[in-house]
Amino acid sequence: GIQVEQSPPDLILQEGANSTLRCNFSDSVNNLQWFHQNPWGQLINLFYIPSGTKQNGRLSATTVATERYSLLYISSSQTTDSGVYFCAVEGGSNYQLIWGAGTKLIIKP
Amino acid sequence: SAVISQKPSRDICQRGTSLTIQCQVDSQVTMMFWYRQQPGQSLTLIATANQGSEATYESGFVIDKFPISRPNLTFSTLTVSNMSPEDSSIYLCSVDLWDSNEQYFGPGTRLTVT
Repeated sequence: GIQVEQSPPDLILQEGANSTLRCNFSDSVNNLQWFHQNPWGQLINLFYIPSGTKQNGRLSATTVATERYSLLYISSSQTTDSGVYFCAVEGGSNYQLIWGAGTKLIIKP
Repeated sequence: SAVISQKPSRDICQRGTSLTIQCQVDSQVTMMFWYRQQPGQSLTLIATANQGSEATYESGFVIDKFPISRPNLTFSTLTVSNMSPEDSSIYLCSVDLWDSNEQYFGPGTRLTVT
């Protein structure tokens, strides 16, 4: 099956810094989503991005499907950006998502 | 998008008992999913619940332990049966929106088994 790897596993930054999170996947995918899990456990949809580039405020994402990776950019980090960022892909016809292990981001004030 | 609610939001249960978690969606959806997230881990799919058919369980999960109901297109329940401390996790339901192929998640149920 498809393997999903996220890097780095942990990231500690000062408020105001920029960051790039990476998601590599081992095969062609139909769907790729980025989620933010806040400290209370809620999973928040950030991007649905099987290919191309999208931006939403301070966050943007790029997926290069031919090279099997996606990047999530966070600019001017705020403490509320802390949490775990997950990449999940769907490769087959059963709509099941395959999850990466996540990147734990801590933004210090 | 979809608005998903789960009940209860958290519970503390004794070993050997069972807990039923409810998931309600504000629109009709075909596919609903139940996940488990153990402390510090990623999400693991328990089963897929489609209305009108039996739930499909992933490897390592069985119906006797995690029975699922899906009576209509907006509601599902997951029961965690004969609980042990190893069942302490966050349980999340999600839905797949047919028109966008995105999955949306409920707020989760934080279960502690003592």
